Amino acid sequence: AQTVTQSQPEMSVQEAETVTLSCTYDTSESDYYLFWYKQPPSRQMILVIRQEAYKQQNATENRFSVNFQKAAKSFSLKISDSQLGDAAMYFCAYRSTNFGNEKLTFGTGTRLTIIP
Amino acid sequence: DSGVTQTPKHLITATGQRVTLRCSPRSGDLSVYWYQQSLDQGLQFLIQYYNGEERAKGNILERFSAQQFPDLHSELNLSSLELGDSALYFCASSPNVGSGANVLTFGAGSRLTVL
Repeated sequence: AQTVTQSQPEMSVQEAETVTLSCTYDTSESDYYLFWYKQPPSRQMILVIRQEAYKQQNATENRFSVNFQKAAKSFSLKISDSQLGDAAMYFCAYRSTNFGNEKLTFGTGTRLTIIP
Repeated sequence: DSGVTQTPKHLITATGQRVTLRCSPRSGDLSVYWYQQSLDQGLQFLIQYYNGEERAKGNILERFSAQQFPDLHSELNLSSLELGDSALYFCASSPNVGSGANVLTFGAGSRLTVL
């Protein structure tokens, strides 16, 4: 079974600065997908960014980018120019490509605080 | 609005009771997933349905059951409720199976409080 570990329960960053959230995972599969979801105080789960394991290029979405290190099984999220609206819980998630195993497996989350 | 609709948004009930949570997936999505999020915890996968059939089962208690109807909406039934069942229950949907690229889109959740 796959596991996802987020070792930083809480992080804080000054507004306009850059912050990196860490995520590691364990799997024996060679092909899979990784995601970062954001959960603001509204509790809605919002997709931030997605990475396909077969792609060497790191995914980017505006101010959000990832550092995907497949050999190290590491998938960190970098938020540039942090904004107050970025304050939320951030969950890293793994998804297998295997038939019948399409669920997302989540880490325990990192609570990000933005300091004005 | 994510396109995934969950009702009710909030529910307060007593121990021993039974409740039903409802989910309507995004238009065109055949897969429905149920997750449980206890206070300040991560999301625990409960069960997945695809086009009316159970496809995968996670850490779902025997007191819980689910089904997906021909119109693709899904219901999660929680019975003999205990205090520890208080949580936020999420439904998510995705277009099909066999492609990990399909993103799961989440509803706003149903908050269950058991007193």
